[in-house]
Amino acid sequence: DGGITQSPKYLFRKEGQNVTLSCEQNLNHDAMYWYRQDPGQGLRLIYYSQIVNDFQKGDIAEGYSVSREKKESFPLTVTSAQKNPTAFYLCASSSRSGGADTQYFGPGTRLTVL
Amino acid sequence: AQSVTQLGSHVSVSEGALVLLRCNYSSSVPPYLFWYVQYPNQGLQLLLKYTSAATLVKGINGFEAEFKKSETSFHLTKPSAHMSDAAEYFCAVTESNFGNEKLTFGTGTRLTIIP
Repeated sequence: DGGITQSPKYLFRKEGQNVTLSCEQNLNHDAMYWYRQDPGQGLRLIYYSQIVNDFQKGDIAEGYSVSREKKESFPLTVTSAQKNPTAFYLCASSSRSGGADTQYFGPGTRLTVL
Repeated sequence: AQSVTQLGSHVSVSEGALVLLRCNYSSSVPPYLFWYVQYPNQGLQLLLKYTSAATLVKGINGFEAEFKKSETSFHLTKPSAHMSDAAEYFCAVTESNFGNEKLTFGTGTRLTIIP
């Protein structure tokens, strides 16, 4: 089955620690995205990547970092600089970025900072 | 800049009644419009999308939406609500001009079905 996997489903972190969220896709898509979801705010774009070894900041990139070393993988690191990291994080991919191409979403990771 | 407004953060309808979820957009060029559904603690699933072909778009699970340029709207409807339709629904827009990679989401509408 083709799709997007995110791990772990639930993640707990102590303040001051960095944590990395995994996102893998086997859809052979070029573009990948990370969104943050908070209650009542919809989805906000953190980072996106149109191709391997290239990525761009989204609307709320501060305190986050990403890498795109392989086409199928786009991990997100939440650093200690992110002031309010507790949220639901969603990864998505599309065959190319922008336009009418559908973004397909993973099941999400819920991060809680203790 | 593109934007989306979803009127009504919570909508309740009786089982079997019409579902109407409102979405208005703003875009400086012809838009592409999407409706996604999200069940609790899950990712988003595409319901339907408008890509400048037919203005009435049919999607999965009996949902449809009509693109109305004069009203800058893309409202989602379903003739008869089912209990399984209870979820959160997001409208999203992107622009058709080359170089715009961003999909902008509305803040969502939570749909409750009353038995």
